[in-house]
Amino acid sequence: AQKITQTQPGMFVQEKEAVTLDCTYDTSDPSYGLFWYKQPSSGEMIFLIYQGSYDQQNATEGRYSLNFQKARKSANLVISASQLGDSAMYFCAMREGPSGTYKYIFGTGTRLKVLA
Amino acid sequence: GAVVSQHPSRVICKSGTSVKIECRSLDFQATTMFWYRQFPKQSLMLMATSNEGSKATYEQGVEKDKFLINHASLTLSTLTVTSAHPEDSSFYICSAREPHRQETQYFGPGTRLLVL
Repeated sequence: AQKITQTQPGMFVQEKEAVTLDCTYDTSDPSYGLFWYKQPSSGEMIFLIYQGSYDQQNATEGRYSLNFQKARKSANLVISASQLGDSAMYFCAMREGPSGTYKYIFGTGTRLKVLA
Repeated sequence: GAVVSQHPSRVICKSGTSVKIECRSLDFQATTMFWYRQFPKQSLMLMATSNEGSKATYEQGVEKDKFLINHASLTLSTLTVTSAHPEDSSFYICSAREPHRQETQYFGPGTRLLVL
């Protein structure tokens, strides 16, 4: 069974508009972490934002915010004021497992294209 | 953030040869490093978890004798693809985790392997 689900294989957004990339997860661990990474065509994985399962507030990092809905097991990424340089693959990931033996599971990704 | 390097960035080899990929944490000590494989237009798949001074933990379906991992120091882990075949052609990415920052991992820039 998929532990991380990204249902949007591709998304378009107009420059300067906001866009939401969906991510749902499945885990029975009470302690876990959720991440979003950006992967440009060059291949490097760029860390964007992190949300811990016990964090009370939604994480924000500049133009990125994570809409964490624990009961729904969703962790959507919101990018505000999209820029052309935001065009890339975006991966949602989950860290689970006991401390010291963490594993990271990645979703299938969403390709975002920002239009001028 | 912390810096992780990989070498080489690209490698082309003949079928049957072995290829070694290095992953280094440049400004921190990494007790744990991860090796991922990414096929074109697909997600990252964890191959193995490498712990300094001990044997690597391989994910189900990953051949230990095919993908040799050595984590000899706190700043270096190596992945050797032995007797490479064309189906081993892929993008290999390592990541490293700081001992006192369990919530995240830092990725290397990746290595593109092409086996002819």
